[in-house]
Amino acid sequence: DAKTTQPNSMESNEEEPVHLPCNHSTISGTDYIHWYRQLPSQGPEYVIHGLTSNVNNRMASLAIAEDRKSSTLILHRATLRDAAVYYCILRRKFNAGNMLTFGGGTRLMVKP
Amino acid sequence: AAGVIQSPRHLIKEKRETATLKCYPIPRHDTVYWYQQGPGQDPQFLISFYEKMQSDKGSIPDRFSAQQFSDYHSELNMSSLELGDSALYFCASSLEAGGFTDTQYFGPGTRLTVL
Repeated sequence: DAKTTQPNSMESNEEEPVHLPCNHSTISGTDYIHWYRQLPSQGPEYVIHGLTSNVNNRMASLAIAEDRKSSTLILHRATLRDAAVYYCILRRKFNAGNMLTFGGGTRLMVKP
Repeated sequence: AAGVIQSPRHLIKEKRETATLKCYPIPRHDTVYWYQQGPGQDPQFLISFYEKMQSDKGSIPDRFSAQQFSDYHSELNMSSLELGDSALYFCASSLEAGGFTDTQYFGPGTRLTVL
């Protein structure tokens, strides 16, 4: 499986934008880029996913590099509630029951 | 909106005992996943079921077994418990109609403590 690389931790100030990077240089053409996050003492939570084009939803934006070898999760205005571990995960298209492989996420700390 | 339900939320067992964890997926979801998260670690995939058939298998010990029932709920059975089995166990569900991989929705987890 293609691997992702993320910084171990990042800090942000409340109400400022946060850019969380992810490198996936061995991504294949059928891999979707998914982001999940895990708040303290909770189960992981889906954030956003994309294939080639940038994506926006109510939680975040996903910017995907033209060569797809990297992507950036953007939180437009960080709140204290966004403090969590953020995981960038590649998932193959058309693969029912495909598990999520969590590893090496970024711990985001948000300062008031 | 209905979420994934897991029971019990907390469980304390002695070494060598057995435990059964239950998972009730979001209504109409056909796929269930089990993950184990040890202290300070990332969640690790154990096993998944699609339409009541085992779909994928990860690092699940032979002492563990699981199944998905006709109403789509799933149970993880753990025998000969060891201290190292102490962890958070998450269940997730998704709708995989047509074989297209979809978002997984996680439950709150069951915290298992083995003494």
